[in-house]
Amino acid sequence: GAGVSQSPRYKVAKRGQDVALRCDPISGHVSLFWYQQALGQGPEFLTYFQNEAQLDKSGLPSDRFFAERPEGSVSTLKIQRTQQEDSAVYLCASSLEDYPPYEQFFGPGTRLTVL
Amino acid sequence: AQSVTQLDSHVSVSEGTPVLLRCNYSSSYSPSLFWYVQHPNKGLQLLLKYTSAATLVKGINGFEAEFKKSETSFHLTKPSAHMSDAAEYFCVVSENVYTGNQFYFGTGTSLTVIP
Repeated sequence: GAGVSQSPRYKVAKRGQDVALRCDPISGHVSLFWYQQALGQGPEFLTYFQNEAQLDKSGLPSDRFFAERPEGSVSTLKIQRTQQEDSAVYLCASSLEDYPPYEQFFGPGTRLTVL
Repeated sequence: AQSVTQLDSHVSVSEGTPVLLRCNYSSSYSPSLFWYVQHPNKGLQLLLKYTSAATLVKGINGFEAEFKKSETSFHLTKPSAHMSDAAEYFCVVSENVYTGNQFYFGTGTSLTVIP
């Protein structure tokens, strides 16, 4: 069956540009998570949605990062005025559960390079 | 507070020999623990999970892990390594409370399988 998909798979941005990263979760999955994975590190939590509600955004590193999921399905992570330290792989995961422990299914990620 | 320590950043084994990837965790509440595998250019795949049921957990591809509360460990093992097991492995902890929607990843263990 269809898994979590993310687009684009690769994105190169010049410093200062805005970018938008898309996540299509598995159909019917209530919970959606975004992670940032720096080179050689484990993923780090950014934000969590339950349906269209953003219940936790404690991991967003700055106010340049913004995420939305307006209809409770597709989600977009937006980064404004990109900086070199934003270069990373951004992972999206979805889960059928709306309470812990969540079994998360991950997408392939979007590799963002900021020049 | 939660954290995960993967004790080895790199592990090398010969094909057909046992695999041991070590993980220690800390958690304020009853944790759920997971092992994920990440093959190059592919999404994270769940190998197995512990969610307060049996302490010996069997996963896919012959992997298993044992939850030892007294040692705060959740080591991953496999009796006989296969070439296809070469990948990055992540130990993950999540707390079983309603607000426990964050996954905390270790820094990963890179497994090399020598023919």
